Amino acid sequence: AQSVTQPDIHITVSEGASLELRCNYSYGATPYLFWYVQSPGQGLQLLLKYFSGDTLVQGIKGFEAEFKRSQSSFNLRKPSVHWSDAAEYFCVTGGYNKLIFGAGTRLAVHP
Amino acid sequence: DAGVIQSPRHEVTEMGQEVTLRCKPISGHDYLFWYRQTMMRGLELLIYFNNNVPIDDSGMPEDRFSAKMPNASFSTLKIQPSEPRDSAVYFCASSFAGNPSNEQFFGPGTRLTVL
Repeated sequence: AQSVTQPDIHITVSEGASLELRCNYSYGATPYLFWYVQSPGQGLQLLLKYFSGDTLVQGIKGFEAEFKRSQSSFNLRKPSVHWSDAAEYFCVTGGYNKLIFGAGTRLAVHP
Repeated sequence: DAGVIQSPRHEVTEMGQEVTLRCKPISGHDYLFWYRQTMMRGLELLIYFNNNVPIDDSGMPEDRFSAKMPNASFSTLKIQPSEPRDSAVYFCASSFAGNPSNEQFFGPGTRLTVL
């Protein structure tokens, strides 16, 4: 069965520091993979997606993610974090119109 | 486009009362999803519709929960009778089958508190 694992429940970084959020997936074929962000009290917003092609995916707000089949990973990165990036981040995989969410990683940003 | 619209944004009710949550998907989208988010269980898919027809309701917790989609622009999720353990944030999302990446667009959610 498809699944995604986010090993880090909570991460704290300083503003301006680089960020990497980890995600591992379990799926036999090439999966659809997404990163969504949920700001406090808000809905979920799509940051980026991968379903084929270039394994380095660029998203909104300066985020990128790299699909690595050999490691079954789809880690999210940002070179310099802003205070407004404090939120919860979900790695998501999907079959046909059925999304499976990871547990989420809550990001705190120190000034 | 206004995005996915949900109402109400917040609902506080007493145990035993009927609760109805509403959703308007993005125009032209043919899939609609209802999710529940709790601290204990994270985000769970409750039910989804394709062209107004329920396709998979295996995530609906029990018979107290029901969902309808009478037309392409409106869906409801009803809980009757409500219980304190139903307290959660309920999200509606929609997508378009012609999008190969199956991207879903989420509404802002309804925060339900059952006292």
